[in-house]
Order: sequence, then C-alpha cells, then structure tokens
Amino acid sequence: AQSVTQPDIHITVSEGASLELRCNYSYGATPYLFWYVQSPGQGLQLLLKYFSGDTLVQGIKGFEAEFKRSQSSFNLRKPSVHWSDAAEYFCAVGGAKAAGNKLTFGGGTRVLVKP
Amino acid sequence: GAGVSQSPSNKVTEKGKDVELRCDPISGHTALYWYRQRLGQGLEFLIYFQGNSAPDKSGLPSDRFSAERTGESVSTLTIQRTQQEDSAVYLCASSPGGKVEKLFFGSGTQLSVL
Repeated sequence: AQSVTQPDIHITVSEGASLELRCNYSYGATPYLFWYVQSPGQGLQLLLKYFSGDTLVQGIKGFEAEFKRSQSSFNLRKPSVHWSDAAEYFCAVGGAKAAGNKLTFGGGTRVLVKP
Repeated sequence: GAGVSQSPSNKVTEKGKDVELRCDPISGHTALYWYRQRLGQGLEFLIYFQGNSAPDKSGLPSDRFSAERTGESVSTLTIQRTQQEDSAVYLCASSPGGKVEKLFFGSGTQLSVL
C-alpha cells in the first residue's frame, strides 16, 4: 500500500530564510509525487509535481523539490521565504492505474513565518 | 463552470441527522474524488468515480457513508446518522480521464456535527 510521511508537523522560519520540508513515501512502482499548499481558508493548490526525468523539479512561487529514489524522499525547498508562504503544505503520492488513480496524502506540515 | 464547485460551503447539523454534500466537477472531467480532512490532519481518500466504471469505495469509513454520481456530472456524498467524529472538511476533486497530474480541488464543505 502506498503511504506518505511528513515528519515535521510544524516548522517556524524567519522571513528571508531558507525552508525545507521533508517528505518520505512508500510506493510499489515509480511514483508520481506532488506538493500542494493550502492557505488559510483556501483550497488546495498544486505547487509542483514529479513524474519522470530530471529529479529536480521547479514549481510555482519559487519552490523546488528533489526526488531521491534511494531515500524514497521528495523534499520541498525554497531559498528565501516570504510572509505569504505561511500555510500548510501537503506531499502526495500516486498516479498509476494499479493504485486506483488516487492520491495518498501526508499529514501536512504547517509553516509559520516570523517577521 | 471554471472550477470544481462544492455546496454548501458550511454545514452545521445535529448528531444523528443525515447530510448531503454536493460536488459539481469541471465540465468534461470523467474522474471525481471525495476526500476528508479532519482538523489538523491530512487528506483521507473516501471514494473515486471514473466514468461508468464501478466506483472505488475503499476509503469510505463506515456504511453510514455513501456517494453517488450520475454519468460524468454532479456527485453527492451522503452521511447518515452523523456523529461528532464526522466533523471535517469534505473536499471534492476532478480530473480528465483519471489523470491525477491534472487534479483540481474544490474549496470544500466544512461539516460541523454538534
């Protein structure tokens, strides 16, 4: 069965500092991997996705993520955080028909940004 | 419509009552998903519809939960005899042909069971 673990429930970072959110997954085949952001009162917005090819993927809002098969990880990074990045971030895995075409989400990491 | 539409946006009900939540997917999207998000937690998969195929109901937590979808249109999630632990945001998503890389989420229905 597929699963996703986001080890950090909360992260506090100063504005302008770098951010890294961890994501580890379990999946029986080559995974499709996603990061979503959920701002207060907003719906889920896709930040970036990985299917194949270059293991470093670029997303919106200056985010990037790196797929490391050997570590079963797909960590999200941003070099310089803005106050508007305060939100909850979800990592997800899925995509193959054998998995029912549904995404499995991690528990989320809430990011707080200090001025 | 331009996006996935869910109604109502908020629903407050008493324990033991039945509720119906509605989802209007993006036109042309054959796949429709329901997820549940409890406070402070991640999204839990509930059910998946793809065209005229039998739905994947593997995520429904109990027989109090059911969902219907006619063709490729509106879906209704019904919770019977609601319990306090059913309080959550219920999110609907749709995609063309079941492609999860093109998944679009609605804003959700906040359900509060008193």
